[in-house]
Amino acid sequence: QVQLVQSADEVKTSGASVKVSCKASGAKHGFSWVRQAPGQGLEWMGWITPYNGNTNIAKKFQGRVTMTTEASTGTAYMELRNLRSDDTAVYYCARVREDSSGYYRYFDYWGQGTLVTVSS
Amino acid sequence: EIVMTQTPLSLSVTPGQPASISCKSSQSLLDYNGETHLYWYLQKPGQPPQLLIYEVSNRFSGVPERFSGSGSGTDFTLKISRVEAEDVGLYYCMQNVELPPRITFGQGTRLEIK
Repeated sequence: QVQLVQSADEVKTSGASVKVSCKASGAKHGFSWVRQAPGQGLEWMGWITPYNGNTNIAKKFQGRVTMTTEASTGTAYMELRNLRSDDTAVYYCARVREDSSGYYRYFDYWGQGTLVTVSS
Repeated sequence: EIVMTQTPLSLSVTPGQPASISCKSSQSLLDYNGETHLYWYLQKPGQPPQLLIYEVSNRFSGVPERFSGSGSGTDFTLKISRVEAEDVGLYYCMQNVELPPRITFGQGTRLEIK
């Protein structure tokens, strides 16, 4: 049974940084991060390939987000800097699956979510 | 950016009755390899999203047969043949056809039970 376990909820002030972790069981796969603001839909942030650490970060988050992995523990991290009030959201990690050509395409298992609250 | 438009945004269904959700994309989701990158997720209340359908019509492991996906190009549909109480939640379509990726989701469709 694949499980992704995320770190605890966080409360931050504007301008601070937050680092969320996601530990996965099972074989190595890519990790993606998706966030959901209160009462809103899903927003893709980016993903990371564990084998070489390559990332694809959504344009909106480039320059503010860093995604990393720790191969020894099977853990992925997402750091978001210079937090604003509109960054308040539940942040999900998800395991990435490839298509038949080996390109990352979709998410099959998700973590439980980490609520990040940004207050001014 | 590819815009995904779902209709309806909400629906109320009697248990045992069918339900259908439409998802339209602003560009074709068919790639150079002949694969179509359209996915469906269900987010039950208080839970993370869960994968229902991948590549238009393939049910993910453990997904009941009452869920089916169809469509091509820019028009897609998720159908539930007989709705059950456990099907309540928000349904999202998602596309990932572009390389490098620019993944987008539909706005979500809320299913409730009458």
